[in-house]
Amino acid sequence: TQLLEQSPQFLSIQEGENLTVYCNSSSVFSSLQWYRQEPGEGPVLLVTVVTGGEVKKLKRLTFQFGDARKDSSLHITAAQPGDTGLYLCAGVSNFGNEKLTFGTGTRLTIIP
Amino acid sequence: DADVTQTPRNRITKTGKRIMLECSQTKGHDRMYWYRQDPGLGLRLIYYSFDVKDINKGEISDGYSVSRQAQAKFSLSLESAIPNQTALYFCATSDPSPGTYYNEQFFGPGTRLTVL
Repeated sequence: TQLLEQSPQFLSIQEGENLTVYCNSSSVFSSLQWYRQEPGEGPVLLVTVVTGGEVKKLKRLTFQFGDARKDSSLHITAAQPGDTGLYLCAGVSNFGNEKLTFGTGTRLTIIP
Repeated sequence: DADVTQTPRNRITKTGKRIMLECSQTKGHDRMYWYRQDPGLGLRLIYYSFDVKDINKGEISDGYSVSRQAQAKFSLSLESAIPNQTALYFCATSDPSPGTYYNEQFFGPGTRLTVL
């Protein structure tokens, strides 16, 4: 069974601070996705990274896929209360088989 | 209206009862999934269906069954519910574009199931 470990599991920081969330595995993934989930709702896709070493920016969020395609990180600059939520990484393991393996999740709270 | 809907949104039941969770989608997607979410474990795949005639087990299918009644409907059943099936259940759909290696999954709002 492939595992995706996220760290930290919980993170609570002040508004305006920077933070990084990590997603690590011993398995190689063909692509990796990041989702955000808010209370009472299902996860919503933020980004997909496909190429080893790829960096994608979404406003204050920066996503990076590791060179070996085994890990990824999410960096948030100047965090805002609206960033609060559960962040989930999800890996796609095989070409043509688009099942997702989800990470363990990071619950982020931004304190105003 | 939401593209992916789940009913019921909340359910409390007793050990041994049969429970059905329903999922409907208006996105026109062929692929549908059922996940359960537990704290600290992320989402784990129970069953998935790539079209109406295709049903596949996920990583935690024991104790669950599914039915794909139509392209738009995918239901999950617990034949005899037990307390460790208490969790948040999500339905999702996807429709990967030709030539891509990945897909975006669209999730319903979830069903919170408690088995006493």
